[in-house]
Amino acid sequence: DVKVTQSSRYLVKRTGEKVFLECVQDMDHENMFWYRQDPGLGLRLIYFSYDVKMKEKGDIPEGYSVSREKKERFSLILESASTNQTSMYLCASATSYEQYFGPGTRLTVT
Amino acid sequence: ELKVEQNPLFLSMQEGKNYTIYCNYSTTSDRLYWYRQDPGKSLESLFVLLSNGAVKQEGRLMASLDTKARLSTLHITAAVHDLSATYFCAVDSWVSGYALNFGKGTSLLVTP
Repeated sequence: DVKVTQSSRYLVKRTGEKVFLECVQDMDHENMFWYRQDPGLGLRLIYFSYDVKMKEKGDIPEGYSVSREKKERFSLILESASTNQTSMYLCASATSYEQYFGPGTRLTVT
Repeated sequence: ELKVEQNPLFLSMQEGKNYTIYCNYSTTSDRLYWYRQDPGKSLESLFVLLSNGAVKQEGRLMASLDTKARLSTLHITAAVHDLSATYFCAVDSWVSGYALNFGKGTSLLVTP
């Protein structure tokens, strides 16, 4: 079974803090993704990566950056957290015809 | 821009009834995904439809794909309470490394 894990299920941070969300997959997938999910807006793509050290902006990259130093790990970084980044963050890894989602991290920025 | 529209967004139905959720998308895509999400949980893959005319069934759920009409349907047969959840359809885009573009989801409540 493909396994995608995320470092935290729940996280509370203060405005202005630097926040790291970690995602690890164990199936040697090349493509990995970060989405955020908000009520009424659905899931939106923040960043994706198709190889180590390669990254591409998604639909809503502002305020975020990513890092992919190893194939299995894809990190989402909030350089200076703001309250409008309070959300559910979902990581996924993918083959060309299937996406596997992690359990999600519910981030609250106060 | 690839757009995915689901309807209805909210659905309350009685146990034992049948209903269909519709998913329209705006550009050509050969792959259509259906996911289920329970409150506070992540996404559970239900179906991946890979070609025109594809039909897949699992229990009381059946999904189909018409790529010419850019339409997928998720049909619920004889609903039971356990099917209460939010259902998302999504299509991928090779331009963004097969990232998914999601509909806004259909929140389904099955009542006795």
